[in-house]
Amino acid sequence: DVKVTQSSRYLVKRTGEKVFLECVQDMDHENMFWYRQDPGLGLRLIYFSYDVKMKEKGDIPEGYSVSREKKERFSLILESASTNQTSMYLCASSLSPSHYEQYFGPGTRLTVT
Amino acid sequence: GENVEQHPSTLSVQEGDSAVIKCTYSDSASNYFPWYKQELGKRPQLIIDIRSNVGEKKDQRIAVTLNKTAKHFSLHITETQPEDSAVYFCADDLGSARQLTFGSGTQLTVLP
Repeated sequence: DVKVTQSSRYLVKRTGEKVFLECVQDMDHENMFWYRQDPGLGLRLIYFSYDVKMKEKGDIPEGYSVSREKKERFSLILESASTNQTSMYLCASSLSPSHYEQYFGPGTRLTVT
Repeated sequence: GENVEQHPSTLSVQEGDSAVIKCTYSDSASNYFPWYKQELGKRPQLIIDIRSNVGEKKDQRIAVTLNKTAKHFSLHITETQPEDSAVYFCADDLGSARQLTFGSGTQLTVLP
């Protein structure tokens, strides 16, 4: 059974703080993804990674960066949090380029005040 | 990335009726079209998917149809039940297995 976990379910940060969201998967998946979910906007891809130390920008990378130092862990970094980054953040992973199904984590509800 | 347009944004049906959600894509290279279900407070989960070489796929009460010429695909749920109430997202792969582009979601409510 694939398990994707995220470091926090709820997080409250102040404007300007540096924020780290961590995601871990335990199934040796090659691909990992970070999405943000906002009402009426669906799931929007921020960044993804298909290998250790590799990263690619998604549709909305501005204001975010990522790190993948180990295969099982993918971190999303908000260098200087802003109120418009208040959102639900979902991590996902998939086995490989030939295996399309994405497995999602439980999400982190981030509030920036 | 290219948009996937999803309609309707909300849908209410009576228990036992059918529900249909439609998505339109723009990239002719798109090859893979999954549907995810997200129950309230839970993570999205894949419920059914279809590849471009197939026109229809069924799994018990749910089915997906694909019209490549018109570039749209639809989710069909028959004999709806209260537990079908959720947000449903369509997606397509833009021709690349590496990432998915999701629609904006449909809130389905099944009324008892």
